[in-house]
Parts: sequence; C-alpha cells; structure tokens
Amino acid sequence: EADIYQTPRYLVIGTGKKITLECSQTMGHDKMYWYQQDPGMELHLIHYSYGVNSTEKGDLSSESTVSRIRTEHFPLTLESARPSHTSQYLCASSEFVYTEAFFGQGTRLTVV
Amino acid sequence: GIQVEQSPPDLILQEGANSTLRCNFSDSVNNLQWFHQNPWGQLINLFYIPSGTKQNGRLSATTVATERYSLLYISSSQTTDSGVYFCAENNAGNMLTFGGGTRLMVKP
Repeated sequence: EADIYQTPRYLVIGTGKKITLECSQTMGHDKMYWYQQDPGMELHLIHYSYGVNSTEKGDLSSESTVSRIRTEHFPLTLESARPSHTSQYLCASSEFVYTEAFFGQGTRLTVV
Repeated sequence: GIQVEQSPPDLILQEGANSTLRCNFSDSVNNLQWFHQNPWGQLINLFYIPSGTKQNGRLSATTVATERYSLLYISSSQTTDSGVYFCAENNAGNMLTFGGGTRLMVKP
C-alpha cells in the first residue's frame, strides 16, 4: 500500500490567483516527481527531485515551480493561474532511481 | 528520447472475455511498470516488471527486455476492469516515460 497523499483533490480557482498543490509521502523515498495529464491522455513529467534541496525540470515545460525542503514534502506552486493550467497534476515517489514508483490520487485543477 | 507505444489504443470487451495489451519501448529497460487509471484519475500500480512474468489474480504480465516489449493479460474481464491502462518505462535515470495508454471498456 502506497502512502503518498495529494491535496486538494479538486480545485476550481480564478485566473491570476496563486495556488499551491500539496504532495506528501511517508515512505522516506528520496525521489519525487510531478506529472501533468490532460483527460485521457498520457502523463508528462514537469518536475522531479533526487532529494532535499534538489529540483529539476522535466521534459514538459511548465510555468509552475517546486521546492523540496523536507524529504516527505514536494509542493508545486503556480504564481498566477491561467485557464491553460487546467489539467490533472499527479505526484509520485520512488525509493531509488529504477525502483517502483507510486502515485498519489491526483489534483484536478480548473482555472476559470 | 525514449519512445513507449501501446496497442491497441481502444478496446471494448464483453464481460468474461480475455484480452492482451501490448507495450513496445525503444531502448533497453531498467524499470517497466503497468498501471490502471480508474475513472477518478488515480493511478493504481499493477506490476513492476523489468523482466520475466508475474501474476496477480486475473492479471498477469510478461516483459521480454531483449525484444523490447511487455504484455499485460486480463482474463475473465469484469466491468470494474474498465479504465485506462498505461505502461511506463525508465531507462534515463530520472523519469518514467509513459505510453499513450489503452482505453478499455468492459460491457456487462
């Protein structure tokens, strides 16, 4: 059973607002990831982290930013939300580089 | 970059039927996973299978790394099996690359 949690599950917010999507895991995993997914489509990596104070951009360009101050916490922030940011955001973690990855329940973001 | 291709893209089955989903990848594999995405968007881990064969109830998976493909078998399908099935492969060391998914609908 994976212990990785995302909040909120659903968020509807107005254009221009600042938002933070939360992701926490209790497995002590060093590697964490954020993926973006449009409905029914494939997932694209937007950010990842190898551990505390490590953050890297993924293969899909994103206006969001991330931080990794604690091993268990990997929040994603949008400074000024736009309708083009409407999507599902999925957080994941794995113990090592090539080991099994586990996903949170996702956050469905709608920017109006 | 790594290419991961899944087939078929869409599949409709009658309850009780069997099916095989395929995942082809373009480079050597270090980590191959199969996921089921439920209607609420959550990704459920099915198999971590960089090589060999594994079984879990009505589901089984086989990865032939030397030939760069993996298969997911669903036997005696049920309506609750409906959803999107993704395979994902990691050999670049920093990310799982996902295929486009197979959208499965099981009719009662």
